[in-house]
Amino acid sequence: GDSVTQMEGPVTLSEEAFLTINCTYTATGYPSLFWYVQYPGEGLQLLLKATKADDKGSNKGFEATYRKETTSFHLEKGSVQVSDSAVYFCALRTNSGYSTLTFGKGTMLLVSP
Amino acid sequence: EAGVAQSPRYKIIEKRQSVAFWCNPISGHATLYWYQQILGQGPKLLIQFQNNGVVDDSQLPKDRFSAERLKGVDSTLKIQPAKLEDSAVYLCASSLGSTGTEAFFGQGTRLTVV
Repeated sequence: GDSVTQMEGPVTLSEEAFLTINCTYTATGYPSLFWYVQYPGEGLQLLLKATKADDKGSNKGFEATYRKETTSFHLEKGSVQVSDSAVYFCALRTNSGYSTLTFGKGTMLLVSP
Repeated sequence: EAGVAQSPRYKIIEKRQSVAFWCNPISGHATLYWYQQILGQGPKLLIQFQNNGVVDDSQLPKDRFSAERLKGVDSTLKIQPAKLEDSAVYLCASSLGSTGTEAFFGQGTRLTVV
C-alpha cells in the first residue's frame, strides 16, 4: 500500500539556519505530493504541493521538488524564523480511483532566536 | 470562502460513555474525511466519503465507531463505548475531488477519555 516516510524529529535550528526535512514515499502509480504544517493547537494547513514529476511547490519561502527517480519530496527553506516552529507532515494522494490522503508521522521543527 | 467547521473543540468523557463529533465541509466539496491523530503521530484515516457514500472505512473500528454523511453534506462521527486509547484529536477534512486535489482541514476535536 501507499506509505510516506519522514525523518524523525525534533529538528532544532537557530534562526536564519537552512532547513531540510526529508520525505520519501511508496505508491502505486503517480501520486500528488503535499506538505502540510500544523502550528501548536491548530489544524493542518496545506503548505505546498506538486502534482507531477519535476514539479516544484513553493510557499512562504519553503520549497519541495517532486523527484520521481528517488521517490522523494524533501522540504527546504533557506532561512528559518522562530515563527516556522511547527510540525510538518508529508503526504501523498494517488491520482486514480477514490484515493486516500496518506500522511507521514510528522517532523517537529523548533527554531530558537 | 468558509473553511471546514468542526464541533466541539474539546470533549472529556469517561470510558464506556458515548460521544459524537460534527463536521461541516467546505461548500461543494464532494469528498469528506475523518482522521484520528494520536499525540505525536501522523493523522490516520478512519473513513472517507464520496458524496454520501463510503469509499474507504478499512481502518474504522466498526465495533465502536460509526459515521454518516447526511445528504452528502454534514457528517457525524460517533464512538460508543469509548476506550482510553480513543483519546486523540479527530480531524475532519474535505476536498473538491477524489483524486490528486488537496484536502482542507478543520481545527479538530480533542477528545480525552478518562
